[in-house]
Amino acid sequence: EIVLTQSPATLSLSPGERATLSCRASQTINKYLAWYQQKPGQAPRLLIYDASNRATGIPARFSGSGSGTDFTLTISSLEPEDFAVYYCQQRNDWPVTFGGGSRVDLK
Amino acid sequence: QVQLVESGGGVVQPGRSLRLSCIASGFTFSRYGMHWVRQTPGKGLEWVAVISYDGRNKFYGDSVRGRFTISRDDSKNALYLQMDSLRSEDTAVYYCTRELYGKSNMEVWGQGATVTVSS
Repeated sequence: EIVLTQSPATLSLSPGERATLSCRASQTINKYLAWYQQKPGQAPRLLIYDASNRATGIPARFSGSGSGTDFTLTISSLEPEDFAVYYCQQRNDWPVTFGGGSRVDLK
Repeated sequence: QVQLVESGGGVVQPGRSLRLSCIASGFTFSRYGMHWVRQTPGKGLEWVAVISYDGRNKFYGDSVRGRFTISRDDSKNALYLQMDSLRSEDTAVYYCTRELYGKSNMEVWGQGATVTVSS
């Protein structure tokens, strides 16, 4: 199965700062990577699909890039509600797999 | 509004069975593939199974294949997960999810059903 490795495990930032999260796949997944946000006690929320497409209702400060094996989620200017855990997910091959998550917390 | 509501979670002994249900509303259920995704306490996400919009295709994660069965009843807008031969490592919150149309990304999530496998 395809293994997704996310880094860093934790990112400590302040509101207004830029967050850059990485997801690396163990083999090529073309563009078929998505990003999710999860807050405590809530289900995950789809942010980005197919590497760079924002899901419905997702603010423009969230952007995704990459292809092949290396992908990035960027939050251009952190809002207070953006402190959460972020997961990547690939759909290039079965089984669908998720990364282990990156936490963005308040510095 | 678009909604998924799971039920059927609980505490069960190892080796026993449990069936989760998910009732969908607010969209045309029969047009979408549906997935189950689970999350172990304090840990990450694990994809469990998918069923295509027409029910013809089903895929399972390695850890549940042969023990879990996904099914759907479009007349009831319902998705099911039959879990047999449960193990302690199946303890998790199980989410019913709807795909992003035509893609195996999870656009809509239920609130989750907690399954605890313990003697």
